[in-house]
Amino acid sequence: RKEVEQDPGPFNVPEGATVAFNCTYSNSASQSFFWYRQDCRKEPKLLMSVYSSGNEDGRFTAQLNRASQYISLLIRDSKLSDSATYLCVVATGFQKLVFGTGTRLLVSP
Amino acid sequence: NAGVTQTPKFRVLKTGQSMTLLCAQDMNHEYMYWYRQDPGMGLRLIHYSVGEGTTAKGEVPDGYNVSRLKKQNFLLGLESAAPSQTSVYFCASTDRPYSNQPQHFGDGTRLSIL
Repeated sequence: RKEVEQDPGPFNVPEGATVAFNCTYSNSASQSFFWYRQDCRKEPKLLMSVYSSGNEDGRFTAQLNRASQYISLLIRDSKLSDSATYLCVVATGFQKLVFGTGTRLLVSP
Repeated sequence: NAGVTQTPKFRVLKTGQSMTLLCAQDMNHEYMYWYRQDPGMGLRLIHYSVGEGTTAKGEVPDGYNVSRLKKQNFLLGLESAAPSQTSVYFCASTDRPYSNQPQHFGDGTRLSIL
């Protein structure tokens, strides 16, 4: 079983749609949680950190459920520029990152 | 605004050749990491360093060696390259362990082993 599991997609949505991604992790000792974005095999870039209380950054909302070991990302009002691969990431000791394989999002006009 | 710089950007090697990938950061970060990314797989940690002169193994360390002689540089070496090491290699750094501070990534080295 992979340590971080994501639906690989692709998710094909029209502009303006709301889309949700889910992720589960197996290591209960995981300390920090993130969503990263990766474009066309370029370097991953931090989208947002994820907190148990839930957090929002503009059109993006992330949620963490430690009891269920579940992380989610909601994107509202999708833009063409949101097309990318979204990586669910957890950090263990010394900030060692464990990456999911990513969920690909394609936003069409 | 250099951040994390990786050299080279691309390289093609023959099986058995050796090479060193260089990662340099100008943010005075303590922690540095090497990852590899293969199709259909997430990034996987090869080796990491928690400070100058220290290194540790990650998830997939076999076939690689690393050195951190200077705080700003983290070198990844392939002593005898194998086709299985064909991958995209990313270096990252951070100064805030045990926190939600992000890692800063270089833009990758695309390595092909023939």
